[in-house]
Amino acid sequence: SQQGEEDPQALSIQEGENATMNCSYKTSINNLQWYRQNSGRGLVHLILIRSNEREKHSGRLRVTLDTSKKSSSLLITASRAADTASYFCATDKTGNTPLVFGKGTRLSVIA
Amino acid sequence: GAGVSQSPSNKVTEKGKDVELRCDPISGHTALYWYRQSLGQGLEFLIYFQGNSAPDKSGLPSDRFSAERTGGSVSTLTIQRTQQEDSAVYLCASSLKGSGGTEAFFGQGTRLTVV
Repeated sequence: SQQGEEDPQALSIQEGENATMNCSYKTSINNLQWYRQNSGRGLVHLILIRSNEREKHSGRLRVTLDTSKKSSSLLITASRAADTASYFCATDKTGNTPLVFGKGTRLSVIA
Repeated sequence: GAGVSQSPSNKVTEKGKDVELRCDPISGHTALYWYRQSLGQGLEFLIYFQGNSAPDKSGLPSDRFSAERTGGSVSTLTIQRTQQEDSAVYLCASSLKGSGGTEAFFGQGTRLTVV
């Protein structure tokens, strides 16, 4: 079963613009993570935000978490062509439950 | 290498045959996950191993699928009597400790094609 749902399914922007992707989930969570996937193979971890945190930054990435709305957003500022990839959110309910992924957002950054 | 290693990278098999997919996690990682990803789709959770606890098999789609993790390290995912709908990329990941508390490191996956 999939806990998270990313929105939009696909996003196309010009280089230099900001990209915002959203993730909604159904049940209470322990942590929420964002991952990136290039060319349909291994995923790479981007950022982790805990349920008691509201915002985190890492380089050009900004993640917010609203547990009352069961939603998170990932903002990539000043996008580059190299940011073209699929982005997934993943959640766990407790420390002993598996990490469950959403369906992802396909981001295309046009140079 | 220091990363998660999966083998084979690609596997083509005939319908009805059994296949074994292997995952070598990062040394010292107690948690290991298997996922399945069909073309253009999200990751479908299959099974989760955490330390010495009983594995969470809730994502396995049928009794043709099974997995084991020997000695808390290497894991093998076995698919018996493969069907065409089993065709997908099978991804393995490991993390240092309990799920969600630390980042998961992924292998490059095994692309399974059932013909």
